[in-house]
Amino acid sequence: DTGVSQNPRHKITKRGQNVTFRCDPISEHNRLYWYRQTLGQGPEFLTYFQNEAQLEKSRLLSDRFSAERPKGSFSTLEIQRTEQGDSAMYLCASSLERLADRSYEQYFGPGTRLTVT
Amino acid sequence: GQQVMQIPQYQHVQEGEDFTTYCNSSTTLSNIQWYKQRPGGHPVFLIQLVKSGEVKKQKRLTFQFGEAKKNSSLHITATQTTDVGTYFCAGSQRAGNNRKLIWGLGTSLAVNP
Repeated sequence: DTGVSQNPRHKITKRGQNVTFRCDPISEHNRLYWYRQTLGQGPEFLTYFQNEAQLEKSRLLSDRFSAERPKGSFSTLEIQRTEQGDSAMYLCASSLERLADRSYEQYFGPGTRLTVT
Repeated sequence: GQQVMQIPQYQHVQEGEDFTTYCNSSTTLSNIQWYKQRPGGHPVFLIQLVKSGEVKKQKRLTFQFGEAKKNSSLHITATQTTDVGTYFCAGSQRAGNNRKLIWGLGTSLAVNP
């Protein structure tokens, strides 16, 4: 399967614990996005990378959230001191940018469902 | 900030009826994308519209981008049960280096057989 993969698929954690999610994008894709989605809502942008550079981080994202893409391939999203409000589906998507002046179709992974108890 | 509104939020139709969802942006868009998310699944890319007034068709699906590039619509002719899911529009703003997508809240479509 050469699509976007995410691990783990489900994570249950206690409030206050740290969690880390991994995303493996489609191999030739240079852009990688992280989103959060709750029931009945659209994907909420968190951050995105162009190769290894993190180009934007949502203002809605607190300092407890951090993301890395160290070699421009896979990415990790870490949430420190989790809160119940962090419970959501965390989606990763990748795309191949060919021109700098437009956005391109994004291919989503299956997501990691986080439950904070 | 930039917002993308989508209506209706829910739509219930009988199989065979038509369905339309509308997307409106507070600012001019560089392009707009449409995605479908089946229940329990993840968003899947359907199409991208770039040009003012553009119309694209995919079998029973017709996508339009407004002349002012601030609105878009998705029309499904003769719905089938396989069309069930949530349809999202996502727009990219016009200027600057920011290429992130701003997503609408989606229209959930239910089709009665």
